[in-house]
Amino acid sequence: EVQLVESGGGLVQPGGSLRLSCSASGFTFSSYAMHWVRQAPGKGLEYVSAISSNGGSTYYADSVKGRFTISRDNSKNTLYLQMSSLRAEDTAVYYCVKDTGTVTANWYFDLWGRGTLVTVSS
Amino acid sequence: EIVLTQSPGTLSLSPGERATLSCRASQSVSSSYLAWYQQKPGQAPRLLIYGASSRATGIPDRFSGSGSGTDFTLTISRLEPEDFAVYYCQQYGSSLPITFGQGTRLEIK
Repeated sequence: EVQLVESGGGLVQPGGSLRLSCSASGFTFSSYAMHWVRQAPGKGLEYVSAISSNGGSTYYADSVKGRFTISRDNSKNTLYLQMSSLRAEDTAVYYCVKDTGTVTANWYFDLWGRGTLVTVSS
Repeated sequence: EIVLTQSPGTLSLSPGERATLSCRASQSVSSSYLAWYQQKPGQAPRLLIYGASSRATGIPDRFSGSGSGTDFTLTISRLEPEDFAVYYCQQYGSSLPITFGQGTRLEIK
């Protein structure tokens, strides 16, 4: 089955850190760029970060630049998001998302995980 | 940054009716790099339309997209009960950062 399964969310204090993981199955993970998109409770979608298929290129939204790090392990079919210096405004469901492109990213998304909730609160 | 404004915020219609959702960009979206997603409560978004008018795999033909430049439209020709959800537009490729509209809630009248 083609799927993405996120894990690692939870409650963290402001200023704390958390690492999200996303396990991919059912497709050739190493061929696709991957992304993280988040959604604050009751709000719309916000783009967070991208990584190329081989991990050599990354991109971050200004809101998380310098605090979040995206990475991947193609041998384990797993995507990561290391989050540090967390703020209340980072509270959201974080979705792991697959790009539609192979050689180059297309920057739109045809497979989403169910998401993992990150709550930043004291 | 390209700002996408969706209208209306909420659309109340009955099954069988036609739905027209709008997405307006603050500057031209080159090559019609615009996508539409559907999100139901408690679920992840699902890709409906890409390239402004191409249906994604498995999407029924009652969904259609149109537009170019700064004005885009998602049309659902005859609403089915399962179509009531929140719809987001997204621009991609022409200009980073990737941005989404704020969403249109399609509710049963």
